Amino acid sequence: DSGVTQTPKHLITATGQRVTLRCSPRSGDLSVYWYQQSLDQGLQFLIQYYNGEERAKGNILERFSAQQFPDLHSELNLSSLELGDSALYFCASSVQFSGQAFFGQGTRLTVV
Amino acid sequence: SQQGEEDPQALSIQEGENATMNCSYKTSINNLQWYRQNSGRGLVHLILIRSNEREKHSGRLRVTLDTSKKSSSLLITASRAADTASYFCATDTPSNTGNQFYFGTGTSLTVIP
Repeated sequence: DSGVTQTPKHLITATGQRVTLRCSPRSGDLSVYWYQQSLDQGLQFLIQYYNGEERAKGNILERFSAQQFPDLHSELNLSSLELGDSALYFCASSVQFSGQAFFGQGTRLTVV
Repeated sequence: SQQGEEDPQALSIQEGENATMNCSYKTSINNLQWYRQNSGRGLVHLILIRSNEREKHSGRLRVTLDTSKKSSSLLITASRAADTASYFCATDTPSNTGNQFYFGTGTSLTVIP
């Protein structure tokens, strides 16, 4: 158990819908990262937050947004979903904005 | 685009043999990390090597880093069936907007009992 909790574990939704993925980082970790992993693909870096502020942005679509709340949990919002958005979405946390990251078990999103 | 690229994409070996995976990256880094992912599950951190280090060991794992060639290798000695997984390198890359943490495409390792 990494200490990073992601909910829900599985999500099936229709095209055009909007979903919210939630991540609770390890206790004391200030930095949260979001990644997308499509089938048999590497991890695509989406976005990073540090202590509530956006720190780095990767290949995140405009239809996607994220935020980190004062209690340090983070949410990833995916809207106007397309079939190609089906993937595993991982959250990771680390103490600072650099160093070892601890990963959650992921949310598997299926868009039908 | 991905920062790191692992090679080979897939590797199949007999139990007891050594497995070597390579990672190449494009820009300067603060550190490089290796992770393991069992099918469809979260990633598990294996080892971190800083940009000023050249080699690091952890149990059956040996990691090397050559910053002049922008490459790293992961050696797993005396492999076991339980080592079957995908292995990813991740680079911690400074940028003007903060550190970015990029993963390669991974090496799929199969260890045959």
